[in-house]
Amino acid sequence: GENVEQHPSTLSVQEGDSAVIKCTYSDSASNYFPWYKQELGKRPQLIIDIRSNVGEKKDQRIAVTLNKTAKHFSLHITETQPEDSAVYFCAANSGYSTLTFGKGTMLLVSP
Amino acid sequence: DSGVTQTPKHLITATGQRVTLRCSPRSGDLSVYWYQQSLDQGLQFLIQYYNGEERAKGNILERFSAQQFPDLHSELNLSSLELGDSALYFCASSVEGTDQETQYFGPGTRLLVL
Repeated sequence: GENVEQHPSTLSVQEGDSAVIKCTYSDSASNYFPWYKQELGKRPQLIIDIRSNVGEKKDQRIAVTLNKTAKHFSLHITETQPEDSAVYFCAANSGYSTLTFGKGTMLLVSP
Repeated sequence: DSGVTQTPKHLITATGQRVTLRCSPRSGDLSVYWYQQSLDQGLQFLIQYYNGEERAKGNILERFSAQQFPDLHSELNLSSLELGDSALYFCASSVEGTDQETQYFGPGTRLLVL
């Protein structure tokens, strides 16, 4: 089955800096890669996703890049703000419709 | 608010007991997914239903079972509970349950087994 590795497990940045979270996956058949943000005690919320027919997608301060050859995708957050502090999960589809999640990255943005 | 609802929000019970968690998907969504989130295991996929039928099964224990009813709400039954079953249980839903659809998560049920 699919295996998704996510790094780093924790990331501390100063407000205004950029943050990058990286994920690798094992199943070459995977073609959908969502990113979820989970604030403490709350539900995971989709922030951006990318499909394998594109290499990069951007939404304001958030961007995701995908390298299918290397089986690698990354989340980039620019101009970080304290409200970006949360746990971020990457995922890849596996099987017919299921998602395999990485173990999460706790992002802390200090003012 | 994702439109997915889950009850109860919190549940405290004892080892050996049985509990039922309930999920109502977003209006129009036919597929429901159940996930378990614990500190050391992250988000683990348990099971998926589509329009009342089981579609995919993940790391779900034999002590756990689920079903989706004709009105599309779903229930996750956990029996012979162990301390290690303490976790956050999330339900998610999507329209058709296909492999590139967004899954919308509910607020979760926090289960504590004492």
